[in-house]
Amino acid sequence: SAVISQKPSRDICQRGTSLTIQCQVDSQVTMMFWYRQQPGQSLTLIATANQGSEATYESGFVIDKFPISRPNLTFSTLTVSNMSPEDSSIYLCSETSGVGTEAFFGQGTRLTVV
Amino acid sequence: EDKVVQSPLSLVVHEGDTVTLNCSYEVTNFRSLLWYKQEKKAPTFLFMLTSSGIEKKSGRLSSILDKKELSSILNITATQTGDSAIYLCAVGGSAGGTSYGKLTFGQGTILTVHP
Repeated sequence: SAVISQKPSRDICQRGTSLTIQCQVDSQVTMMFWYRQQPGQSLTLIATANQGSEATYESGFVIDKFPISRPNLTFSTLTVSNMSPEDSSIYLCSETSGVGTEAFFGQGTRLTVV
Repeated sequence: EDKVVQSPLSLVVHEGDTVTLNCSYEVTNFRSLLWYKQEKKAPTFLFMLTSSGIEKKSGRLSSILDKKELSSILNITATQTGDSAIYLCAVGGSAGGTSYGKLTFGQGTILTVHP
């Protein structure tokens, strides 16, 4: 499996500010995804990070709030914009080689908004 | 809309016990079912089950996929305190379009193993 490095590991941010989370994979992968896990909840997909084009967002998530970049096959960023306490969650990046293959996760970013 | 339901939501056992975790799903064009263990932040991959691989085993952990019942179980025998974690079930749907490669997760089962 690919090694996925995600940073920062955790952060405490003021409301109204933005945080950018980085995800680096050590080999070229087909698919990269960003998930959110709110306290006591399961993982919810935010978007699919598309290489060289705009991300594909799931229902309830918009680009203005969660802009995503993927300039190449091994790197992606997720920005959480204009943060509020409701954005306090664990954010996870994930990679897979495609449908029917294993999916692996980065170490996660624990975000607390105060 | 794809749906994954896990049961029980929480489970408390003692070391040495055997546990069975359940996962049922409704998904368009099922492709795979995956089990993960989450101890802190990052889910750790355990098994992937597909139409061509409906049983997997690794040490004390094993899993079976029942395609007819649209469900899966994860068994852990001789549990240890280190097995305490959240166990997540996820399902991958059809290829193509917006569903390509993405996973739908269940709520998770919180397993606590006491010494």
